[in-house]
Amino acid sequence: RKEVEQDPGPFNVPEGATVAFNCTYSNSASQSFFWYRQDCRKEPKLLMSVYSSGNEDGRFTAQLNRASQYISLLIRDSKLSDSATYLCVVNEGSGGYNKLIFGAGTRLAVHP
Amino acid sequence: ETGVTQTPRHLVMGMTNKKSLKCEQHLGHNAMYWYKQSAKKPLELMFVYNFKEQTENNSVPSRFSPECPNSSHLFLHLHTLQPEDSALYLCASSLNTEAFFGQGTRLTVV
Repeated sequence: RKEVEQDPGPFNVPEGATVAFNCTYSNSASQSFFWYRQDCRKEPKLLMSVYSSGNEDGRFTAQLNRASQYISLLIRDSKLSDSATYLCVVNEGSGGYNKLIFGAGTRLAVHP
Repeated sequence: ETGVTQTPRHLVMGMTNKKSLKCEQHLGHNAMYWYKQSAKKPLELMFVYNFKEQTENNSVPSRFSPECPNSSHLFLHLHTLQPEDSALYLCASSLNTEAFFGQGTRLTVV
């Protein structure tokens, strides 16, 4: 079983649509979670951290379910500029050490 | 700009060459990482250094040799690489939480 699993997509949606991405992780001791965005041939960039209580940043909402080892990202009112690959990231480190594991990513294409 | 700088940005090397990739950050981060991203493949964790100590070697072939002389610098020494090692090599650093990436070195082995 992969450490971090994501649906690869692609998700093809029209502008204005709401789209949701899911991610599962295998290491129940994982402490912190993130969503990154990666544009073609560029480095990944942090989109948002994911907190146990859920958190929102503008059109983006992230949720964490520790019991089910499941993370989600919801994008509302999609823009053309949201087209990218979205990476689910889990920190499997412990004892003050870090070990960030990336999912394979979910590709989003927003069309006019 | 994330504050993580990688050099060179592009590198073409022959299979018998020896080269090094460099990464530096002056963000006060305590962990540094090397990742490999091949065309249309996910990010693969190669090495992790926490507090200058190597804490993860993800079964990487010995032709890749990391070095972390201090908490701000990370190197990846390359020798006798294969064409299939051609990829984007990304360095990242973190301080107990999210990681910030450099722009990567796009490596081509000929």
